Amino acid sequence: EPEVTQTPSHQVTQMGQEVILRCVPISNHLYFYWYRQILGQKVEFLVSFYNNEISEKSEIFDDQFSVERPDGSNFTLKIRSTKLEDSAMYFCASSVTQRDPYFGPGTRLTVT
Amino acid sequence: QKEVEQDPGPLSVPEGAIVSLNCTYSNSAFQYFMWYRQYSRKGPELLMYTYSSGNKEDGRFTAQVDKSSKYISLFIRDSQPSDSATYLCAMGYSSASKIIFGSGTRLSIRP
Repeated sequence: EPEVTQTPSHQVTQMGQEVILRCVPISNHLYFYWYRQILGQKVEFLVSFYNNEISEKSEIFDDQFSVERPDGSNFTLKIRSTKLEDSAMYFCASSVTQRDPYFGPGTRLTVT
Repeated sequence: QKEVEQDPGPLSVPEGAIVSLNCTYSNSAFQYFMWYRQYSRKGPELLMYTYSSGNKEDGRFTAQVDKSSKYISLFIRDSQPSDSATYLCAMGYSSASKIIFGSGTRLSIRP
């Protein structure tokens, strides 16, 4: 069964550093998403991406965040200057239609 | 009032029992509804997706949506220890791509 994959599984970085989280969505999916989950809290929407552009973003997704689909298979989330409060699990997801996203296993980001 | 409310549990039931998990919501603009299962430190796994009021069954799982009461349920029949996880309800709008998650209910099935 096809699945969303994410790398790395765990990323440790220092405050102020840039990080890039990588995802390979399911191959025939057209919509791509990033969500995050701070430990003990709800899963929160960050951004959705369709047809090579951002279709929707949340208040969390400020200028420090960017997304890119550099080729036909990868989807990346970049955080330009990490803060302590960016520590969370980051989930990539994809879907065929604008519904029922399938989630990857997540990248645990730890900012020290 | 929170957009999506879900009892965090924990809920502990014996193996073989029927489990009922519920969410309420306040925004009548939600049009589609999902249930996800999340094991510890893993990504949410889509279990059920429904668009209309009524019931939808898939194996041991039944999702129920009552739009008039703004209430959704997930029933698990013949529960197994492997069903022990956190169950997240999630809801979306027809006009937007984001989905809003509940806080999750932690379920434990005792052998």
